[in-house]
Amino acid sequence: AQSVTQLDSQVPVFEEAPVELRCNYSSSVSVYLFWYVQYPNQGLQLLLKYLSGSTLVKGINGFEAEFNKSQTSFHLRKPSVHISDTAEYFCAVSDLGSYIPTFGRGTSLIVHP
Amino acid sequence: DGGITQSPKYLFRKEGQNVTLSCEQNLNHDAMYWYRQDPGQGLRLIYYSQIVNDFQKGDIAEGYSVSREKKESFPLTVTSAQKNPTAFYLCASGQQGTPNSPLHFGNGTRLTVT
Repeated sequence: AQSVTQLDSQVPVFEEAPVELRCNYSSSVSVYLFWYVQYPNQGLQLLLKYLSGSTLVKGINGFEAEFNKSQTSFHLRKPSVHISDTAEYFCAVSDLGSYIPTFGRGTSLIVHP
Repeated sequence: DGGITQSPKYLFRKEGQNVTLSCEQNLNHDAMYWYRQDPGQGLRLIYYSQIVNDFQKGDIAEGYSVSREKKESFPLTVTSAQKNPTAFYLCASGQQGTPNSPLHFGNGTRLTVT
């Protein structure tokens, strides 16, 4: 079974600073990787996904993520954050052996003015 | 607009009472899921259904029950056997048999049991 580790439970950062949220998964032959964002008292929304091809994936709201197969990582980055980016971010992985995605525990991004 | 509707948004119940959370989708998805979210614990899978009239237990099914009589609907009942039912509950749907497709989530129901 897949496992997903989000290494930081909370990441505080100042507005306009860059940010990286880390995600590592257990290895598998073929994986599909996702980042979701959850604003307070709401459901999850898809930020971006890696299915195949280019290892650098661009998503909504200026976020991007890089798939690194050798390090089994899929870190999320944004060059300059806004207050409105304050939210919970979840990394998820699925593969051909399981149609049910496995979610990480989430990282709370807190953007300070 | 296509999407998933969870109702109600907030629900309050007394201990010992069963309560049913509603989840409806108009995305024509075969697969539907229920997750429980507690602070610092991420999403934990309660039940999932890949087709009408069939469903499977997830990681924390004890004290919960579901039904899938229609493709669009996947209600979750929190029974009195659930020892700690106060939580945020999320319903999701997705395309069956396609692990490369993301899930679509509702806006959740916050259940408080006192």
